[in-house]
Amino acid sequence: EVQLVESGGGLVQPGGSLRLSCTASGFTFSSYAMSWVRQAPGKGLEWVSGISGSDGSTHYTDAVKGRFTISRDNSKNTLYLQMNSLRAEDTAVYYCVGGGWACPFWGQGTLVTVSS
Amino acid sequence: DVVMTQSPLSLPVTLGQPASISCRSSQSLVYSDGNTYLNWFQQRPGQSPRRLIYKVSNRDSGVPDRFSGSGSGTDFTLKISRVEAEDVGVYYCMQGIRWPGSFGQGTKVEIK
Repeated sequence: EVQLVESGGGLVQPGGSLRLSCTASGFTFSSYAMSWVRQAPGKGLEWVSGISGSDGSTHYTDAVKGRFTISRDNSKNTLYLQMNSLRAEDTAVYYCVGGGWACPFWGQGTLVTVSS
Repeated sequence: DVVMTQSPLSLPVTLGQPASISCRSSQSLVYSDGNTYLNWFQQRPGQSPRRLIYKVSNRDSGVPDRFSGSGSGTDFTLKISRVEAEDVGVYYCMQGIRWPGSFGQGTKVEIK
């Protein structure tokens, strides 16, 4: 059974930092691209960042470029998202998405709230 | 960026009746390998999204056969042949041909 378990969310002040983690099991983690998708309260889905499984190349949506960094540790089957200079508009549930760019597997999400 | 536009955004349906959701992309979703990278997701209230359909018309494991996907190029459709109570939720189309991947606005399916 595939499982993606996120952690690291919470309440942070504007300008602060958080690091999200996602531990994967049930599939060959290193072989697949992984992504972070977020959903602001009452809103739709937004693809935030992705990292290739083959060459580790990374991608970011314009809204987070220069502030967020995606990385992966294939030895630990873990995906990360380092989020710096957080803004109120980054408030959302962040989903870890795996199994490639077609997004077959989703975690339960972790809530990030940016507020003073 | 590829823009995905869904319609309608709200879809009240009678139990047992069919439902249809349209999704249009601002660019062709046909990749150089000949595949069309259009997926559909369901998000039930309080749950994470779940993929239903990949590459236009392929149902994921465990997805009831009342769900079907069709279309080509830039125009796509998700159909539910007979809506059941468990189908209530928001449905999203998503393109995976160009980074950043992008989702439609979502269509909320509810029971009349």
